Amino acid sequence: AQKITQTQPGMFVQEKEAVTLDCTYDTSDPSYGLFWYKQPSSGEMIFLIYQGSYDQQNATEGRYSLNFQKARKSANLVISASQLGDSAMYFCAMRERSGYSTLTFGKGTMLLVSP
Amino acid sequence: GAVVSQHPSWVICKSGTSVKIECRSLDFQATTMFWYRQFPKQSLMLMATSNEGSKATYEQGVEKDKFLINHASLTLSTLTVTSAHPEDSSFYICSARWSEGIRGEQYFGPGTRLTVT
Repeated sequence: AQKITQTQPGMFVQEKEAVTLDCTYDTSDPSYGLFWYKQPSSGEMIFLIYQGSYDQQNATEGRYSLNFQKARKSANLVISASQLGDSAMYFCAMRERSGYSTLTFGKGTMLLVSP
Repeated sequence: GAVVSQHPSWVICKSGTSVKIECRSLDFQATTMFWYRQFPKQSLMLMATSNEGSKATYEQGVEKDKFLINHASLTLSTLTVTSAHPEDSSFYICSARWSEGIRGEQYFGPGTRLTVT
């Protein structure tokens, strides 16, 4: 079974609008962390935001926020006020305490921001 | 954030030759380094995890004799693709972290695009 599921292969959004990228995860480990990375066409992986399983509040980093719904095992990324430079591939990832420090990635969502 | 470099950024080699890719953590000592492979429009697939001074741990299905990983120091890891074939053409990304635990951030190199002709 997939540990990280991103059901949206591609998303379109207009500049200045908000967009939500979906991510669901599967784990029986009570201690885990969820990450979002951005990969522009250049290929580099850029860390965006982190949410720990025990964190009481949803994580926020500038225009990025994470809608963490633990019971539903979802960790959706919300990008507010989209910019043209946000066009990229976005990956959701998880690290479990029992997983020997490895990050497991979802298949990614390609986001295209139009003027 | 911390910086991880990779060299070369792209390489073209002939089938049957070997290629070495270097990964360096420039401003921190990496307790653990990771090597990923990414095919076009696909996700990152972990190939192996290595700690300084010890043998790499390979993921299931990854040939350890073909993809040689050497974690020589706390700032350098190398991946050697031996006897490369066209199907080894891919984007290889290394990653490093200095702290253990769930929150320990993992920094990625810019990747190396390998083309085997």
